[in-house]
Amino acid sequence: EIVLTQSPDFQSVTPKEKVTITCRASQSINNNLHWYQQKPGQSPKLLIKYASQSISGVPSRFSGSGSGTDFTLTINSLEVEDAATYYCHQSSSLPWTFGQGTKVEIK
Amino acid sequence: EVQLVESGGGLVKPGGSLRLSCAASGFTLSSYSMNWVRQAPGKGLEWVSSISSSSRYIYYADSVRGRFTISRDNANNSLYLQMNSLRAEDTAVYYCARDHAYWGRGTLVTVSS
Repeated sequence: EIVLTQSPDFQSVTPKEKVTITCRASQSINNNLHWYQQKPGQSPKLLIKYASQSISGVPSRFSGSGSGTDFTLTINSLEVEDAATYYCHQSSSLPWTFGQGTKVEIK
Repeated sequence: EVQLVESGGGLVKPGGSLRLSCAASGFTLSSYSMNWVRQAPGKGLEWVSSISSSSRYIYYADSVRGRFTISRDNANNSLYLQMNSLRAEDTAVYYCARDHAYWGRGTLVTVSS
């Protein structure tokens, strides 16, 4: 099983600040890494697919990078509506696995 | 537009059974593997089971193997999860997912006496 480790677990950020969340895989997953945003009571929303590909309708302040075992989600100029929990997910091999989540709070 | 709509959740006693359904539309179900993912209250996401397009290949998480059965009916555009011998730790929102891009809104399963 591929283990995904996110850091940090929690981040308190002021609006307009830059947020960086990392996700490390226990073995190479090429670019089969996706990022989700989840708000309370909602299903996960896809933000970035295949490590760095943007998703239609997702604000351009969200971007992803990385390949192999190390990946990054960047939120440029955080907005109040970005308060949520963020998860990485690998689809390289079964079982699908997910990072433990990073909760982003607005100061 | 791709849509996945789960149903069948509810309150069930420990040891009981429940059958979840996922109605798929907007794509040809028979062309895709399908998955169930769950999320316990206040916890992270956990993959539960996957089934290949023809049902030839089926996979389960260790936590549910032997108790849960995934199946599909491509003719009726439906995915199922039969859950038996339910435990308190199975309490979660269960999501149907086609792949990384398309997920349903989930159905809540609560196992409690």
